[in-house]
Amino acid sequence: EAGVTQFPSHSVIEKGQTVTLRCDPISGHDNLYWYRRVMGKEIKFLLHFVKESKQDESGMPNNRFLAERTGGTYSTLKVQPAELEDSGVYFCASSPLGGGHGTDTQYFGPGTRLTVL
Amino acid sequence: AQSVTQLDSQVPVFEEAPVELRCNYSSSVSVYLFWYVQYPNQGLQLLLKYLSGSTLVKGINGFEAEFNKSQTSFHLRKPSVHISDTAEYFCAVTVPGGYNKLIFGAGTRLAVHP
Repeated sequence: EAGVTQFPSHSVIEKGQTVTLRCDPISGHDNLYWYRRVMGKEIKFLLHFVKESKQDESGMPNNRFLAERTGGTYSTLKVQPAELEDSGVYFCASSPLGGGHGTDTQYFGPGTRLTVL
Repeated sequence: AQSVTQLDSQVPVFEEAPVELRCNYSSSVSVYLFWYVQYPNQGLQLLLKYLSGSTLVKGINGFEAEFNKSQTSFHLRKPSVHISDTAEYFCAVTVPGGYNKLIFGAGTRLAVHP
């Protein structure tokens, strides 16, 4: 079974440009999460989809970030316009729709390393 | 609010030696506790988790962790490490009844030397 995949693996853009990150969760996983790790710091939660609906977007830093999940399958995270502080590694994770309530094991992709110059 | 502190950013150790990676958390409510590992160029994978019951939790690859409520700690241990254990280890918590949002520590890089 394929794991969580993310594309691209690396992206280097200039300040002010737009970048779109893509995440394909494990097939059948209704929960999809985005996290970000700024260099050397902790991994921070951005948002959580259940199917195509945003369950929790409390971690989204500002309105330059837009996440979508088309048809409850893959998800995209767009940053427009990108700023220097957006640099970091963006992780996507997925889990099946199950008991939830904080107990689920999340399966992570390898991340997209975004560098904003 | 919850927070997680991993006391060591880097831990060097020789092969076959024991290792302990420390994790403390802060929370006004009960939490679930997790350890994830990230091998080079891979995603994070779950090592083990504590939800309830026995405070000693065994995970994959010979790792175990002990939940200590009074000390708000969840230290990860392995009695004998291998070169292949070289990776970054993340301690994390979630809140029961929440939406599975993981709150991570800053990570500990374990470097196993021959």
